[in-house]
Amino acid sequence: DSGVTQTPKHLITATGQRVTLRCSPRSGDLSVYWYQQSLDQGLQFLIQYYNGEERAKGNILERFSAQQFPDLHSELNLSSLELGDSALYFCASTWDRGDTGELFFGEGSRLTVL
Amino acid sequence: EDQVTQSPEALRLQEGESSSLNCSYTVSGLRGLFWYRQDPGKGPEFLFTLYSAGEEKEKERLKATLTKKESFLHITAPKPEDSATYLCAVQAWSNDYKLSFGAGTTVTVRA
Repeated sequence: DSGVTQTPKHLITATGQRVTLRCSPRSGDLSVYWYQQSLDQGLQFLIQYYNGEERAKGNILERFSAQQFPDLHSELNLSSLELGDSALYFCASTWDRGDTGELFFGEGSRLTVL
Repeated sequence: EDQVTQSPEALRLQEGESSSLNCSYTVSGLRGLFWYRQDPGKGPEFLFTLYSAGEEKEKERLKATLTKKESFLHITAPKPEDSATYLCAVQAWSNDYKLSFGAGTTVTVRA
């Protein structure tokens, strides 16, 4: 158990809908990362927050947004969903800004868009 | 943009049959190279960090090595519990510490 909690574990929804994925980092960790993993693309970095502030951004679509709250949990919002958004979404956390590269991943939220 | 290529895509081994996985990378200034293990239905789990060419790290039956262009993950006398997907990732000095992952090598070890 990495100590990172993600909810929900599974989510099935329709095209055009909006969903929110939630992540609670390990106790004491200040950085939260979001990654998308699909069969054809592998693990793709979406966005990182450090202590409530956006720290780095990857290839995150404009339809997607995220935030980190004062209690350090994070939410990833996916809107106007398309079939191609079906994937595993991982949250990871670490205590630093990311210097060490040692991330602790949750078990992921599997999103299926029908 | 950082590029990470892992080979082979899949590797089937007999228990005790040692082998190596390859990770080739292109990055503008390597800060670190990382190996992760991912079991089906789980998130990746950190294994090693390598920072400079010539560096080696070991953990049980796994040994990771680094050159200026690639890294190898050697699996010595593997057991069925070593079956997993092994992911390689690079971190560049220019990219705000983000990790760029390869597609992974799925290792299956048969008893």
